Amino acid sequence: NAGVTQTPKFQVLKTGQSMTLQCAQDMNHEYMSWYRQDPGMGLRLIHYSVGAGITDQGEVPNGYNVSRSTTEDFPLRLLSAAPSQTSVYFCASSQGGTASGANVLTFGAGSRLTVL
Amino acid sequence: GQNIDQPTEMTATEGAIVQINCTYQTSGFNGLFWYQQHAGEAPTFLSYNVLDGLEEKGRFSSFLSRSKGYSYLLLKELQMKDSASYLCAVLDSNYQLIWGAGTKLIIKP
Repeated sequence: NAGVTQTPKFQVLKTGQSMTLQCAQDMNHEYMSWYRQDPGMGLRLIHYSVGAGITDQGEVPNGYNVSRSTTEDFPLRLLSAAPSQTSVYFCASSQGGTASGANVLTFGAGSRLTVL
Repeated sequence: GQNIDQPTEMTATEGAIVQINCTYQTSGFNGLFWYQQHAGEAPTFLSYNVLDGLEEKGRFSSFLSRSKGYSYLLLKELQMKDSASYLCAVLDSNYQLIWGAGTKLIIKP
């Protein structure tokens, strides 16, 4: 059981370049989300999805785009990378949507992105 | 605004007990989570509290007081593998998770 798979693990971009972080889960989870983790700060929600075809913005959505065409996949696109987007990105999924109390998240291994 | 406070770093000795505190001020409350995150790895779920009191799970226990906006994670019989960051997160009235910055726990032999 693979759980949540993220690729790539490491990426270096130049300012202005675009890229896609891939996320796939094989647990049939309805809820998927993208977080960024920066030193000295809590995880911050970028975008989330409560099911295929449904996406919504989190706390820090600017500069990022998502889509959810299938239950399994939830890619995160950086449209024009900026140094402020240097961070570690985590994809996470859960069985229930955000309206279910015990919203236990399963995280991917993370993607470390550096924007020069 | 919404705020989760945790100590930045704590040090404890192998075999001892350590308590990691978390205080929160959020718009509503629908539960509190603790996650463990080893360096360079993903966070993994430890505990969930929605009612006041102590929840025990092996060497780890988590306590919640909703009236005080306070929780703690208690780790007993510390092992070197417990060296990690411990993240506190609150589910607010909109069922969004608000995360603390985490407490880095260093275990010394």
